[in-house]
Amino acid sequence: AQKVTQAQTEISVVEKEDVTLDCVYETRDTTYYLFWYKQPPSGELVFLIRRNSFDEQNEISGRYSWNFQKSTSSFNFTITASQVVDSAVYFCALSEARRDDKIIFGKGTRLHILP
Amino acid sequence: DAGVIQSPRHEVTEMGQEVTLRCKPISGHNSLFWYRQTMMRGLELLIYFNNNVPIDDSGMPEDRFSAKMPNASFSTLKIQPSEPRDSAVYFCASKDRSLAFFGQGTRLTVV
Repeated sequence: AQKVTQAQTEISVVEKEDVTLDCVYETRDTTYYLFWYKQPPSGELVFLIRRNSFDEQNEISGRYSWNFQKSTSSFNFTITASQVVDSAVYFCALSEARRDDKIIFGKGTRLHILP
Repeated sequence: DAGVIQSPRHEVTEMGQEVTLRCKPISGHNSLFWYRQTMMRGLELLIYFNNNVPIDDSGMPEDRFSAKMPNASFSTLKIQPSEPRDSAVYFCASKDRSLAFFGQGTRLTVV
Protein backbone atom coordinates (compact mmCIF):
# COMPACT_ATOMS: atom_id res chain seq x y z
CA ALA A 1 0.00 0.00 0.00
CA GLN A 2 1.03 3.58 -0.59
CA LYS A 3 1.94 5.55 2.49
CA VAL A 4 3.87 8.72 3.23
CA THR A 5 4.98 9.59 6.75
CA GLN A 6 6.16 12.99 7.85
CA ALA A 7 6.91 12.44 11.49
CA GLN A 8 7.68 16.07 12.25
CA THR A 9 4.40 17.87 12.76
CA GLU A 10 5.90 21.26 13.50
CA ILE A 11 9.43 22.69 13.53
CA SER A 12 10.69 26.09 14.63
CA VAL A 13 14.15 27.38 13.84
CA VAL A 14 15.83 30.76 13.98
CA GLU A 15 16.51 32.49 10.70
CA LYS A 16 19.76 31.47 8.98
CA GLU A 17 19.77 28.05 10.58
CA ASP A 18 19.65 24.95 8.42
CA VAL A 19 16.62 22.69 8.76
CA THR A 20 15.81 19.22 7.44
CA LEU A 21 12.29 17.94 6.89
CA ASP A 22 11.94 14.18 6.97
CA CYS A 23 9.85 12.03 4.67
CA VAL A 24 9.54 8.26 4.74
CA TYR A 25 7.46 6.39 2.21
CA GLU A 26 6.08 2.91 1.63
CA THR A 27 5.37 1.33 -1.71
CA ARG A 28 5.40 -2.08 -3.36
CA ASP A 29 6.13 -0.65 -6.76
CA THR A 30 9.57 -0.40 -8.28
CA THR A 31 8.50 2.57 -10.39
CA TYR A 32 7.22 5.56 -8.50
CA TYR A 33 7.59 9.31 -8.09
CA LEU A 34 8.24 11.39 -5.02
CA PHE A 35 7.34 15.04 -4.61
CA TRP A 36 7.64 17.97 -2.29
CA TYR A 37 5.07 20.75 -2.23
CA LYS A 38 5.07 23.99 -0.25
CA GLN A 39 1.93 25.58 1.16
CA PRO A 40 2.61 29.15 2.29
CA PRO A 41 0.19 31.03 4.58
CA SER A 42 -1.73 32.21 1.51
CA GLY A 43 -2.89 28.60 1.07
CA GLU A 44 -1.89 27.58 -2.43
CA LEU A 45 0.11 24.42 -3.07
CA VAL A 46 3.39 25.11 -4.82
CA PHE A 47 5.33 22.34 -6.53
CA LEU A 48 8.98 22.16 -5.48
CA ILE A 49 10.46 18.95 -6.87
CA ARG A 50 9.70 15.58 -8.44
CA ARG A 51 11.98 12.57 -8.27
CA ASN A 52 11.53 9.22 -10.00
CA SER A 53 12.49 5.98 -8.32
CA PHE A 54 15.36 5.31 -10.68
CA ASP A 55 17.18 8.53 -9.97
CA GLU A 56 18.84 8.58 -6.56
CA GLN A 57 21.02 11.57 -7.26
CA ASN A 58 20.69 14.30 -4.70
CA GLU A 59 19.38 17.58 -6.02
CA ILE A 60 20.23 21.12 -5.08
CA SER A 61 18.29 24.20 -6.07
CA GLY A 62 19.60 27.33 -4.44
CA ARG A 63 19.13 26.98 -0.70
CA TYR A 64 17.01 23.84 -1.14
CA SER A 65 18.39 20.34 -1.39
CA TRP A 66 16.85 16.90 -1.42
CA ASN A 67 18.32 13.57 -0.32
CA PHE A 68 16.68 10.48 -1.83
CA GLN A 69 17.73 7.15 -0.31
CA LYS A 70 15.92 4.04 -1.50
CA SER A 71 17.68 1.89 1.10
CA THR A 72 15.84 3.71 3.86
CA SER A 73 12.77 4.72 1.78
CA SER A 74 13.40 8.34 2.60
CA PHE A 75 13.24 11.57 0.65
CA ASN A 76 14.39 14.33 2.98
CA PHE A 77 14.36 18.05 2.27
CA THR A 78 16.92 20.48 3.63
CA ILE A 79 16.72 24.26 3.64
CA THR A 80 20.08 25.92 4.12
CA ALA A 81 20.34 29.37 5.69
CA SER A 82 16.61 29.52 6.29
CA GLN A 83 14.65 32.72 5.77
CA VAL A 84 11.37 33.96 7.20
CA VAL A 85 9.77 33.52 3.76
CA ASP A 86 10.41 29.79 4.06
CA SER A 87 7.74 29.60 6.76
CA ALA A 88 5.07 27.30 5.38
CA VAL A 89 3.65 23.81 5.53
CA TYR A 90 5.68 21.37 3.47
CA PHE A 91 4.16 18.20 2.05
CA CYS A 92 5.89 15.10 0.79
CA ALA A 93 3.93 12.96 -1.68
CA LEU A 94 4.16 9.65 -3.52
CA SER A 95 2.76 8.44 -6.80
CA GLU A 96 2.95 4.82 -7.94
CA ALA A 97 3.14 4.46 -11.71
CA ARG A 98 1.23 1.19 -11.53
CA ARG A 99 -1.74 2.83 -9.84
CA ASP A 100 -2.57 5.36 -12.54
CA ASP A 101 -0.34 7.88 -10.82
CA LYS A 102 -2.63 8.48 -7.86
CA ILE A 103 -0.79 10.97 -5.64
CA ILE A 104 -0.87 10.42 -1.89
CA PHE A 105 0.34 13.09 0.54
CA GLY A 106 1.92 12.99 3.96
CA LYS A 107 0.33 14.99 6.75
CA GLY A 108 2.78 17.83 6.25
CA THR A 109 5.35 19.59 8.41
CA ARG A 110 4.64 23.14 9.55
CA LEU A 111 7.88 25.11 9.49
CA HIS A 112 8.27 28.34 11.45
CA ILE A 113 11.32 30.46 10.71
CA LEU A 114 11.78 32.93 13.55
CA PRO A 115 13.43 36.29 12.85
CA ASP B 1 -2.47 28.76 -19.58
CA ALA B 2 -4.11 30.21 -16.46
CA GLY B 3 -3.51 27.06 -14.44
CA VAL B 4 -6.16 25.05 -12.62
CA ILE B 5 -9.15 27.25 -11.90
CA GLN B 6 -11.50 26.58 -9.02
CA SER B 7 -14.70 28.35 -8.12
CA PRO B 8 -15.89 29.68 -5.86
CA ARG B 9 -12.85 30.60 -3.75
CA HIS B 10 -14.98 30.83 -0.64
CA GLU B 11 -18.36 29.35 0.14
CA VAL B 12 -20.43 29.71 3.26
CA THR B 13 -23.61 27.71 3.42
CA GLU B 14 -26.12 26.47 5.91
CA MET B 15 -26.27 22.89 7.02
CA GLY B 16 -28.53 20.86 4.78
CA GLN B 17 -27.93 22.93 1.68
CA GLU B 18 -26.43 21.57 -1.52
CA VAL B 19 -22.95 22.79 -2.38
CA THR B 20 -21.26 22.52 -5.77
CA LEU B 21 -17.56 23.13 -6.23
CA ARG B 22 -16.16 23.62 -9.72
CA CYS B 23 -12.84 22.96 -11.35
CA LYS B 24 -11.36 23.73 -14.76
CA PRO B 25 -8.17 21.71 -15.30
CA ILE B 26 -5.21 22.74 -17.37
CA SER B 27 -5.85 22.08 -21.04
CA GLY B 28 -4.29 18.85 -22.23
CA HIS B 29 -3.99 17.27 -18.80
CA ASN B 30 -5.70 13.90 -18.72
CA SER B 31 -5.98 13.31 -14.96
CA LEU B 32 -7.95 15.28 -12.41
CA PHE B 33 -7.94 14.94 -8.64
CA TRP B 34 -10.14 16.27 -5.85
CA TYR B 35 -8.54 16.63 -2.41
CA ARG B 36 -9.90 17.82 0.91
CA GLN B 37 -7.66 19.52 3.46
CA THR B 38 -8.44 19.75 7.17
CA MET B 39 -6.26 20.33 10.20
CA MET B 40 -7.03 16.90 11.59
CA ARG B 41 -6.67 14.76 8.47
CA GLY B 42 -4.34 16.75 6.25
CA LEU B 43 -4.69 16.39 2.47
CA GLU B 44 -7.05 13.53 1.65
CA LEU B 45 -7.60 12.28 -1.87
CA LEU B 46 -11.35 12.07 -2.46
CA ILE B 47 -11.55 10.95 -6.08
CA TYR B 48 -9.61 11.05 -9.28
CA PHE B 49 -10.39 10.80 -12.98
CA ASN B 50 -8.36 9.65 -15.96
CA ASN B 51 -9.65 10.79 -19.35
CA ASN B 52 -12.89 11.93 -17.69
CA VAL B 53 -13.54 8.48 -16.18
CA PRO B 54 -13.61 8.07 -12.38
CA ILE B 55 -10.82 5.66 -11.45
CA ASP B 56 -10.86 5.60 -7.67
CA ASP B 57 -13.53 7.15 -5.46
CA SER B 58 -12.62 5.22 -2.33
CA GLY B 59 -11.75 8.47 -0.58
CA MET B 60 -15.23 9.95 -0.94
CA PRO B 61 -16.42 10.07 2.66
CA GLU B 62 -20.06 9.15 2.15
CA ASP B 63 -22.93 9.12 -0.29
CA ARG B 64 -23.54 12.79 0.30
CA PHE B 65 -20.47 13.44 -1.85
CA SER B 66 -20.49 13.01 -5.61
CA ALA B 67 -18.16 14.10 -8.40
CA LYS B 68 -18.54 14.34 -12.14
CA MET B 69 -16.34 15.12 -15.09
CA PRO B 70 -18.62 15.57 -18.09
CA ASN B 71 -15.77 16.65 -20.35
CA ALA B 72 -12.02 17.22 -20.33
CA SER B 73 -12.33 20.85 -19.28
CA PHE B 74 -14.72 20.72 -16.35
CA SER B 75 -15.38 18.83 -13.13
CA THR B 76 -17.72 19.30 -10.19
CA LEU B 77 -17.74 18.07 -6.61
CA LYS B 78 -21.17 18.16 -5.02
CA ILE B 79 -22.15 17.75 -1.39
CA GLN B 80 -25.83 17.19 -0.70
CA PRO B 81 -26.86 17.73 2.02
CA SER B 82 -23.90 19.56 3.52
CA GLU B 83 -22.94 19.22 7.19
CA PRO B 84 -20.67 21.32 9.44
CA ARG B 85 -18.02 18.59 9.43
CA ASP B 86 -17.64 19.09 5.68
CA SER B 87 -16.01 22.45 6.39
CA ALA B 88 -12.56 22.30 4.81
CA VAL B 89 -10.49 23.55 1.91
CA TYR B 90 -11.16 21.55 -1.24
CA PHE B 91 -8.43 21.42 -3.85
CA CYS B 92 -8.61 20.34 -7.44
CA ALA B 93 -5.46 19.28 -9.27
CA SER B 94 -4.77 18.26 -12.84
CA LYS B 95 -1.87 16.14 -13.91
CA ASP B 96 0.46 16.10 -16.87
CA ARG B 97 2.26 12.71 -16.83
CA SER B 98 3.40 12.51 -13.22
CA LEU B 99 3.35 16.19 -12.23
CA ALA B 100 0.23 17.61 -10.58
CA PHE B 101 -0.72 21.28 -10.55
CA PHE B 102 -3.17 22.54 -7.97
CA GLY B 103 -5.89 25.13 -8.05
CA GLN B 104 -6.07 27.73 -5.31
CA GLY B 105 -8.74 25.80 -3.46
CA THR B 106 -12.27 26.46 -2.29
CA ARG B 107 -12.68 27.22 1.38
CA LEU B 108 -16.03 25.76 2.40
CA THR B 109 -17.72 26.67 5.66
CA VAL B 110 -20.95 24.93 6.61
CA VAL B 111 -22.75 26.61 9.49
